[in-house]
Amino acid sequence: SQTIHQWPATLVQPVGSPLSLECTVEGTSNPNLYWYRQAAGRGLQLLFYSVGIGQISSEVPQNLSASRPQDRQFILSSKKLLLSDSGFYLCAWAGTDNSPLHFGNGTRLTVT
Amino acid sequence: AQSVTQLGSHVSVSEGALVLLRCNYSSSVPPYLFWYVQYPNQGLQLLLKYTTGATLVKGINGFEAEFKKSETSFHLTKPSAHMSDAAEYFCAVSRSGGYNKLIFGAGTRLAVHP
Repeated sequence: SQTIHQWPATLVQPVGSPLSLECTVEGTSNPNLYWYRQAAGRGLQLLFYSVGIGQISSEVPQNLSASRPQDRQFILSSKKLLLSDSGFYLCAWAGTDNSPLHFGNGTRLTVT
Repeated sequence: AQSVTQLGSHVSVSEGALVLLRCNYSSSVPPYLFWYVQYPNQGLQLLLKYTTGATLVKGINGFEAEFKKSETSFHLTKPSAHMSDAAEYFCAVSRSGGYNKLIFGAGTRLAVHP
């Protein structure tokens, strides 16, 4: 069966520090991969999605970037964190364009 | 452009009572609609989805939702609430270009009291 892993589960980082969040999927190949952010009291905002290695689409201009160095690995990064980057970051995968999203357990990022 | 509105950020019901969580959408194309549930500090779990066909969709944990095109609604219901249903619920609509690029509503937090 397919599983999705995100780490770390929680992270506290100072303003201006770099960020790297990792997501990996097991049990499937060539998944569509997604990064969402959930701010307190708000819904989920799609940040990036990827349909293949090295293929990244950005949904909103921001301080973050994403990379997909391997088929089942999706990384969310920042060179310098801002206070506004705080939130709950969720990685998700889907098998095809016509299958539902499956989410990881998320990373809670607090920028201080 | 597509959007989702969830009416009521907080809903409180008694154990055993009907659960009704409201969702209205706007979409210029026939929508795919979803309900997800999120327990504290966890990811989202798919409850049910509507793509085409039967407008009454049954999901996990006794939940169901009805797609009403004329009302642009996709409300989530459960006949009898359990304490374990306390969670946050998100309605989502697909975007054009592939139905798993979802637009989510702001969520409704469901509290169930004895």
